Amino acid sequence: DARVTQTPRHKVTEMGQEVTMRCQPILGHNTVFWYRQTMMQGLELLAYFRNRAPLDDSGMPKDRFSAEMPDATLATLKIQPSEPRDSAVYFCASVGVADTQYFGPGTRLTVL
Amino acid sequence: RKEVEQDPGPFNVPEGATVAFNCTYSNSASQSFFWYRQDCRKEPKLLMSVYSSGNEDGRFTAQLNRASQYISLLIRDSKLSDSATYLCVVNGLTDKLIFGTGTRLQVFP
Repeated sequence: DARVTQTPRHKVTEMGQEVTMRCQPILGHNTVFWYRQTMMQGLELLAYFRNRAPLDDSGMPKDRFSAEMPDATLATLKIQPSEPRDSAVYFCASVGVADTQYFGPGTRLTVL
Repeated sequence: RKEVEQDPGPFNVPEGATVAFNCTYSNSASQSFFWYRQDCRKEPKLLMSVYSSGNEDGRFTAQLNRASQYISLLIRDSKLSDSATYLCVVNGLTDKLIFGTGTRLQVFP
């Protein structure tokens, strides 16, 4: 049963620290999305890639967030420096047939 | 106006009840429509796609009304296990999916 995996599942850090979140999409899926979910905002699109190229990162605060896809099996989302308002669950999703998005279990980030 | 709007609920219904959710979308050019289900502290999972002619999957029926720009989800014979948040999803510009903030359903015994 192919799944999207994300690491770490939970991260607690202090304000100002760097945070790196990783995602392994389902093998063969060439489009990867990063979302952030909070109680207040729901699911927000941060960035997405197709064939490892960034297509849209307009939802991402550019000064502190960066997203990359160094190879087809790994996508990363980095926050530097982190702030308390970044506390959220960060989901990665990869896209299969008919636009169906398959989500990873998420990284629950708490910035103190 | 939000691109995708849903009533946040919660909808509290007894087991066996029929419940319906609606969702409106603003982009008339949208082509793909979905309902996702999200359990507490879990990731969203695809429940069903929504087709122009309407479609049914067991106790779940989804319908699309392009003229009025809304989609609906009907759940018949509600089970306790149906308790979750239901996310309405529409494709926006390009191939991005726009998620509603969800409608919470609580089924009680």
